[in-house]
Formats: sequence, C-alpha cells, structure tokens
Amino acid sequence: AQSVTQPDIHITVSEGASLELRCNYSYGATPYLFWYVQSPGQGLQLLLKYFSGDTLVQGIKGFEAEFKRSQSSFNLRKPSVHWSDAAEYFCAVGSTGTASKLTFGTGTRLQVTL
Amino acid sequence: DTAVSQTPKYLVTQMGNDKSIKCEQNLGHDTMYWYKQDSKKFLKIMFSYNNKELIINETVPNRFSPKSPDKAHLNLHINSLELGDSAVYFCASSPQNGNEQFFGPGTRLTVL
Repeated sequence: AQSVTQPDIHITVSEGASLELRCNYSYGATPYLFWYVQSPGQGLQLLLKYFSGDTLVQGIKGFEAEFKRSQSSFNLRKPSVHWSDAAEYFCAVGSTGTASKLTFGTGTRLQVTL
Repeated sequence: DTAVSQTPKYLVTQMGNDKSIKCEQNLGHDTMYWYKQDSKKFLKIMFSYNNKELIINETVPNRFSPKSPDKAHLNLHINSLELGDSAVYFCASSPQNGNEQFFGPGTRLTVL
C-alpha cells in the first residue's frame, strides 16, 4: 500500500530564510509525487509534481523539489521564504492505472516570522 | 473561470438529516474524486469516478452515495448525518488516472 510521511508537523522560519519540508513515501513502483499548498480556509493548490525524468522539479512561487529514489524522499525547498508562504503543505503520492488515487501525508504547517 | 466548483461552501445541519454537496468541473476531465479532510487536516480519498463509472470506494459508510450524472459533475449525498461527518469535503478532477488533480474550494460541513 502506498503511504506518505511528513515528519514535521509544524515549522517556523524567518522571512527571507531558506526552507526545506521533508517528505518520505512508500510505493511499490515508480511514484507520481506531488506537493500541494493549502492556505487557511482555502482549497489545495498544486505547487509541483514529479512523474519521471529530471529529479529536480521546479514549481510555482519559487518552490522546487528533488526526487531521491534511494531515500524514498521528495523534499520541498525554497531559497527565500516570503510571509505569504505561511500555509499548510501536503506531500502526496499518486497511484497509476484505473483505480488512481492520491495518498496524502499529514501535512506540515509553515509559520513565517517577520 | 472557476475550474472545479463546489456548492455550498458551508453547510450546517442537524444530526440525522440528509444533505447533498454538488461538484462541477469545466476542465473537460474524465476523472473526478471526493476527499474528506478531518479536523486534524488529514486528507483521505472517499470516491473516484471515471467517465461516470465508480472506480474507487474507499471503505466509506454506505450513508455516503456519490452520483455522477455526467462526467463534468460528481455530487455527494449523505444520509442520516452523524457528528463524525463534520469535516471539509473536497472535490477534485484529473484529465486521466494517475495525473495531477485539481481541487475545488471545499465544503465545510458541520453536523450539530
């Protein structure tokens, strides 16, 4: 069965500092991996995705993530955080085939201090 | 233009009532989903439909019945609402199975 672990429930960074959110997955084949962001009271917005190819993927809002098969990880990074990045971040693994679904991690809440 | 829309945005109701949540996507996608986000923000899939056919039913109580009148709509009907049904329900769609999913704004259901 597929699963996702986000070890950090809550992270606080200063505005302008770099950010790394951790994500580890379990999946039997080559995974489809996603990072979504949820601002308070809002829906989920896709930041970036990995299907195949280059293991470093660029997303919106200056985010990037690196797929490391050997570590079963797909960590999200941003070199300089803005106060507007404060939100809940979800890593997800997607299955393929007819019965496709996203399995989400428990989320990491990012707080940005000024 | 809203890609995935849900109505209503908020729903407050009494235990035992029956309610429906509607979802529509104008992206031309074949696959639609319902997810439930609990009070701890945990997101879990409930159902998936592909071209109006039920693909995934993730051990959801049969009080929950999805209906897809066409591939642009996936509605969720809930009978005999319970306190534990209080959550945010998200609809999503994707162009094909395994691809990225686009989420609606969510419906916050509160059962009193």
